[in-house]
Amino acid sequence: AQSVAQPEDQVNVAEGNPLTVKCTYSVSGNPYLFWYVQYPNRGLQFLLKYITGDNLVKGSYGFEAEFNKSQTSFHLKKPSALVSDSALYFCAVRDGSWGKLQFGAGTQVVVTP
Amino acid sequence: GAVVSQHPSRVICKSGTSVKIECRSLDFQATTMFWYRQFPKKSLMLMATSNEGSKATYEQGVEKDKFLINHASLTLSTLTVTSAHPEDSSFYICSARDLKAGLSDRGLSGIYNEQFFGPGTRLTVL
Repeated sequence: AQSVAQPEDQVNVAEGNPLTVKCTYSVSGNPYLFWYVQYPNRGLQFLLKYITGDNLVKGSYGFEAEFNKSQTSFHLKKPSALVSDSALYFCAVRDGSWGKLQFGAGTQVVVTP
Repeated sequence: GAVVSQHPSRVICKSGTSVKIECRSLDFQATTMFWYRQFPKKSLMLMATSNEGSKATYEQGVEKDKFLINHASLTLSTLTVTSAHPEDSSFYICSARDLKAGLSDRGLSGIYNEQFFGPGTRLTVL
């Protein structure tokens, strides 16, 4: 069985400040980890993924995420948030290459000017 | 990157009618497509996995006679909401799996896959 937890329903941050969106996961096999962003009434946009290799993964729009195996976490980060980063963020995990994607509950990010 | 389209983007229908939503992979062939349902400000719930040329596999609790899925070609899957009711109002998102031969993300030769998402369809049943 696999699961994803996003403990925060909403994260508020001032523009220019660092942004962190938390994600922890549980899988029985090798974790394939993903972050997606969704703007209102739009589909999911891929931000980044971790499959193997360096624990620090860099993605689109200045986002990065750090894979921490011991803490089973994959937190999303951005050094300096923009108002346009305000959106709904989803963490997802897949158990191996062929498993089903399991999504977290989502975290609403609100960046204030 | 690979592109997945959905049509229509928004549909409003009367209770009791059926609505068809199309999902197309525009620049790749997708042997597998996925249909998700999303309630407002909530996560995506996998409804079913659609394989080209065979019957869809539905997740537990999803009525297969209510949500008909057809995957007739490698680039098209359709979801038909039959006899729609207001509780079927939701945002429906499809995803297509792109298979690539070569090196996988773990550096292993073979077949690996990526999943790409459509823009979603907003269904409102009056």
